[in-house]
Formats: sequence, structure tokens, C-alpha cells
Amino acid sequence: DTGVSQDPRHKITKRGQNVTFRCDPISEHNRLYWYRQTLGQGPEFLTYFQNEAQLEKSRLLSDRFSAERPKGSFSTLEIQRTEQGDSAMYLCASSYVTGVTDTQYFGPGTRLTVL
Amino acid sequence: AQTVTQSQPEMSVQEAETVTLSCTYDTSESDYYLFWYKQPPSRQMILVIRQEAYKQQNATENRFSVNFQKAAKSFSLKISDSQLGDAAMYFCAGLYGNKLVFGAGTILRVKS
Repeated sequence: DTGVSQDPRHKITKRGQNVTFRCDPISEHNRLYWYRQTLGQGPEFLTYFQNEAQLEKSRLLSDRFSAERPKGSFSTLEIQRTEQGDSAMYLCASSYVTGVTDTQYFGPGTRLTVL
Repeated sequence: AQTVTQSQPEMSVQEAETVTLSCTYDTSESDYYLFWYKQPPSRQMILVIRQEAYKQQNATENRFSVNFQKAAKSFSLKISDSQLGDAAMYFCAGLYGNKLVFGAGTILRVKS
């Protein structure tokens, strides 16, 4: 069983450009999460999906950020008009929720650098 | 608001010895889960151990065990027989509702 995969692993972009990241969860996991991690800090929750429905978004997620999970499988996170403050590691996690248990497994992350 | 606090920015341990990493949390929820994750340098986050708040018994996974004190809202991680491969950033996290809330992390250095 393969783990969570993310693409690309690294992205360097210029301020003002749009970027899109992809996450492929563990097969049959019904929940998919996006987190952001800045250097030396713990990850912060951005948003999550149950199947294809986006059920919660953090206040950290400005209007420039949008996430989709069109068929309940892979997900994309797009950042429009990037700013230097968007530079961070973007982590994806997935889980299979039964009842109240929810153990999240993380991908390797996409490191974004905005110049 | 749910918070997770790790008060030790960095810890060191001699190979084969035991080290304890501290974590405290705050929540008003009665049902929650607590986790320890390990993040080696430039590598992905790995689940180390999980504790259900309704269970009084402390979780154990091989050399890793927790000391869960619910009343004190404390959740420490003990690593026995430390190995060089244990060197990493360790994050304590609480699952509140549907999202993980992480502490700032503790860097663990293992000396040979």
C-alpha cells in the first residue's frame, strides 16, 4: 500500500504568480487534509475534505487559496497571486474515518519558495 | 480554544539511554485523541504513537510509550534505548473535532 504522495516536492516562483500543488491520498482514505508548516514550527490546519466535500476551512486560508477534491480521490491546492509570506511547506494528510477514530498519515510535503 | 504546548525546544540523549519529551494541552472537549509525530530532517512526518483520551491505559509502541495524565492535561513521550535513527523533530498534536493542532516541536539529538 503506497503512502500519501505530493507533487511537486519543491516549487520556486516569483511573487504574483499562481501555483498549484497536488496530493494523492492513501487509497480508499475518505478524508484529506491540507496543512501549512513554516520553518521551525508545527503544521497549521488549512482545510479538509470528506470525500469530495470541503467541510472546513481555516481563517488562515485567504481568498487567494482554493482547494478541490473533484472525485473524492486526489486533491489540488492553488495559491493565486503568491506573496513572500506564502513561502512554507504545504503538507497533505489522509485518513480513513470510522466512528470517532481519525489517524492522519502525512505526505512528504511541497516546499514553496516565493521570490 | 485548543492549544498544545511543548516547552522543550531541544533535548539531547546518549545512545541507548532513555529520554522523555514533555507536552501539555488544553481543551474543553471530553472526547479527543493525542498523537506524537516524528519528522526527521528533510523527511516526512511519521506517526509514532496515539492515545485515546477515554482510555486510562498508557499507549505503548515498542520503545515508545506515553505518560498520559488527563487531569493535568499532560502527554509526555518516553523513548527507551535511544537509537541514532531517533534523532528528529518530535511534534505533539491533539485531534480536536476534525483537525490536528500541533505544538511547536522538540528537536531530539542523539549522541553516539
